[in-house]
Amino acid sequence: QKEVEQNSGPLSVPEGAIASLNCTYSDRGSQSFFWYRQYSGKSPELIMSIYSNGDKEDGRFTAQLNKASQYVSLLIRDSQPSDSATYLCAVNNQAGTALIFGKGTTLSVSS
Amino acid sequence: GAVVSQHPSWVICKSGTSVKIECRSLDFQATTMFWYRQFPKQSLMLMATSNEGSKATYEQGVEKDKFLINHASLTLSTLTVTSAHPEDSSFYICSALTSAITDTQYFGPGTRLTVL
Repeated sequence: QKEVEQNSGPLSVPEGAIASLNCTYSDRGSQSFFWYRQYSGKSPELIMSIYSNGDKEDGRFTAQLNKASQYVSLLIRDSQPSDSATYLCAVNNQAGTALIFGKGTTLSVSS
Repeated sequence: GAVVSQHPSWVICKSGTSVKIECRSLDFQATTMFWYRQFPKQSLMLMATSNEGSKATYEQGVEKDKFLINHASLTLSTLTVTSAHPEDSSFYICSALTSAITDTQYFGPGTRLTVL
């Protein structure tokens, strides 16, 4: 059973702080990794994708991937109240035909 | 780019009736579309994978005769919930795979189904 694990939270950070979201996965053959943000009652929206070990930065977001440790993380700098949402980590299966989602981490940014 | 739409966004129906949900990729061709279901405060559950021109692949535990999926074109997939019951009330979300941008899935806005 291929799994993606996330801490459900809630993770609470003050406005302006760095939020760190973590995810581990079980399938060593996975090649593609995604972070989605989901607001309550809405569908997920893609924040970032990452395919190679190391860091990938996009604005206030940085994704980090370590395939040896089967670990992927998302850092949100200068957190804003509008970042309050559930963050879903998703990993593709070996065939690349489906995404396996974690249960999500709820982030709360207080002003 | 990579916009996916769903229709309707919200539907209420009586128990025993059937409901059809459409998923369209608006600005790209999607050879593969996915249907998910999400219950309150739970994560996305993949129901089925839909490939254009072929039968859908259903996940374990999903009744293929109850959840009919048709992927008639490269831009349209439909999910029909047949003989709906209150326990089918959920948030149904489709996504489309655009191979033009590696294997990224883009999600539609979702359809909230309430069965009375």
